[in-house]
Amino acid sequence: DTAVSQTPKYLVTQMGNDKSIKCEQNLGHDTMYWYKQDSKKFLKIMFSYNNKELIINETVPNRFSPKSPDKAHLNLHINSLELGDSAVYFCASRHRAEAFFGQGTRLTVV
Amino acid sequence: DQQVKQNSPSLSVQEGRISILNCDYTNSMFDYFLWYKKYPAEGPTFLISISSIKDKNEDGRFTVFLNKSAKHLSLHIVPSQPGDSAVYFCAATSDSGGGADGLTFGKGTHLIIQP
Repeated sequence: DTAVSQTPKYLVTQMGNDKSIKCEQNLGHDTMYWYKQDSKKFLKIMFSYNNKELIINETVPNRFSPKSPDKAHLNLHINSLELGDSAVYFCASRHRAEAFFGQGTRLTVV
Repeated sequence: DQQVKQNSPSLSVQEGRISILNCDYTNSMFDYFLWYKKYPAEGPTFLISISSIKDKNEDGRFTVFLNKSAKHLSLHIVPSQPGDSAVYFCAATSDSGGGADGLTFGKGTHLIIQP
């Protein structure tokens, strides 16, 4: 029974396409995040969403947008994909100081 | 601007010995520190944490030490086992209450346990 689940696990798409990654958590946590792990293996926060408050990392292009239909879901939409968007994207939810991560989505833009 | 630094990209340790992974931070506002373990093609999983009001936290084979004055923490694994081979991430936060601020991660250290 997965606590934080993301779909798809792998996503290969062409430049210019629009794609979405879904994330669901069944932990009842109030805070959810999207992280990006780039080619240099850094895990960098992209967005955090807490009680309908969205905090955006200012370095994230506005082609990326999170959508939260309800407390258990935080989906990531990406418009006009670029080669540099290729990375592994992790969704996470948080209770107090601990964050729980999904298994990651490896996005490859060709 | 890396606020959390793990200066050793990799570390090789013989099975049964002690593994020591190091982490340095620059942000004085950080008051809670965590270690995560990551296997290939999986998400990071929480391992152990420590509050800034403590200098040591132990959980089985894993112990985390915090030196606030040096802005340094370390993870000790003893004895090291083959299943410990993974990438270990150090993380820090100034918001231990679970609010909107996320965790700031280091770049990770790849621990390899040699038989």
